[in-house]
Amino acid sequence: DAKTTQPPSMDCAEGRAANLPCNHSTISGNEYVYWYRQIHSQGPQYIIHGLKNNETNEMASLIITEDRKSSTLILPHATLRDTAVYYCIVSGGTSYGKLTFGQGTILTVHP
Amino acid sequence: DAGVIQSPRHEVTEMGQEVTLRCKPISGHNSLFWYRQTMMRGLELLIYFNNNVPIDDSGMPEDRFSAKMPNASFSTLKIQPSEPRDSAVYFCASSFSRQADNEQFFGPGTRLTVL
Repeated sequence: DAKTTQPPSMDCAEGRAANLPCNHSTISGNEYVYWYRQIHSQGPQYIIHGLKNNETNEMASLIITEDRKSSTLILPHATLRDTAVYYCIVSGGTSYGKLTFGQGTILTVHP
Repeated sequence: DAGVIQSPRHEVTEMGQEVTLRCKPISGHNSLFWYRQTMMRGLELLIYFNNNVPIDDSGMPEDRFSAKMPNASFSTLKIQPSEPRDSAVYFCASSFSRQADNEQFFGPGTRLTVL
C-alpha cells in the first residue's frame, strides 16, 4: 500500500471548517483514499473514501487532487465532538481489505 | 444493529496465563480484522479473515498468538502464554468486502493488561 503523510496535529475553532491534508504521492491507479477517525478510547470510525472524484457525505467532504498525490478532508462546521485522531489511509489493489494506519493527525477543536 | 461486539471489555491477567479475546462481527459481513493498539506502535493489523478463511496473518507477532474464525458470526484471538508486552487495546472490525470498497466497522475494543 502507498504510504501517507499527515501533519501530527492541527487546531480548529468550533463552527469553522477543518481542513486536514494528506500526501500520498506513491498512490497507484487502483488504490482508494480512506479517512477514519478515532475519538479517545473508542474504536476507529469510518468517515469517507474516494478514488479520484471528490466525495461528500453527511460527515465530511473529500477533495482529491487531479494527480491523486494528495487529498484534503473537510469537516464543514467543526464541533468539540470532532476532536479526534484522523487517519488518512491508501488501500486497494492487491491488498484490498487491508488497512495500514499511520500516526494520523490529532485535530483539536477549540470553543 | 448492535455493531461489532467484543468481550471482555477489560482483561487483567498474569504473565504466563492464556488469554482469549472474542469478537462477534456485524451480521452479513464477510471480512473480519483483528488490530492491536499501543502508544509505541500505534494501530497495527494482526490478521484478517475473508469468508472465515485467514487471508493475511503477517501482522501476528509470534507463535504465542493465534486466531480462529469457526463460523461467520464468531472469532477468537488467543495469546498463550501472555507476556507484559502484550498489554494493549485489541480491536476487532468487520466489513462487507467488495473489491476496493472497504468500510470497516470497529468494535469497542478489549483492554488487556498483563502483569
